[in-house]
Amino acid sequence: AQSVTQPDIHITVSEGASLELRCNYSYGATPYLFWYVQSPGQGLQLLLKYFSGDTLVQGIKGFEAEFKRSQSSFNLRKPSVHWSDAAEYFCAVGSNDYKLSFGAGTTVTVRA
Amino acid sequence: DAGVIQSPRHEVTEMGQEVTLRCKPISGHNSLFWYRQTMMRGLELLIYFNNNVPIDDSGMPEDRFSAKMPNASFSTLKIQPSEPRDSAVYFCASSLGQGAKDRDGYTFGSGTRLTVV
Repeated sequence: AQSVTQPDIHITVSEGASLELRCNYSYGATPYLFWYVQSPGQGLQLLLKYFSGDTLVQGIKGFEAEFKRSQSSFNLRKPSVHWSDAAEYFCAVGSNDYKLSFGAGTTVTVRA
Repeated sequence: DAGVIQSPRHEVTEMGQEVTLRCKPISGHNSLFWYRQTMMRGLELLIYFNNNVPIDDSGMPEDRFSAKMPNASFSTLKIQPSEPRDSAVYFCASSLGQGAKDRDGYTFGSGTRLTVV
């Protein structure tokens, strides 16, 4: 069974600074990897996904993520955060069936 | 497309009452998922439908929970009787294919925040 670990529960970053959110997964084969963002009171919105090919994936809102098989990681990055990036971020891993396993989430606070 | 539509957005009910949550998936999507989100347990998959048929209900907590999908455009999640520990945000999600294999991933609704007092 697949699983996801997001080591950071909460990250505070200054507006304009860079952001990196960590995600480690456990899965025996090549995983499908996703990052979702959840703003307060909202559902989850897909930021980006990795299935195969180029290990650096570009997503919406200026986010990117890099798949590193050797480290079983899929970290999310943004070069310069905006106040509107304050939200909760979820990493998820899927396999060849229908299931997505979500991490516990990382809450991002952006300070002025 | 209006996305995945859930109703109600908020529900407050008394312990012992029946609660019905509703979901309208994106038109043309073949898979529908019900998730529950709590602080303690995060996002939990409750049940998965494919082509209106329940495929996996192993995440349904107990017999008090039931879900139906009478047609491709509507699903319900019912809790009867409700208990305070059922308080959570319940999300419905749909996908075009079979979920994780669908390269577009899941599209989530805005959720129903359930409070059982």
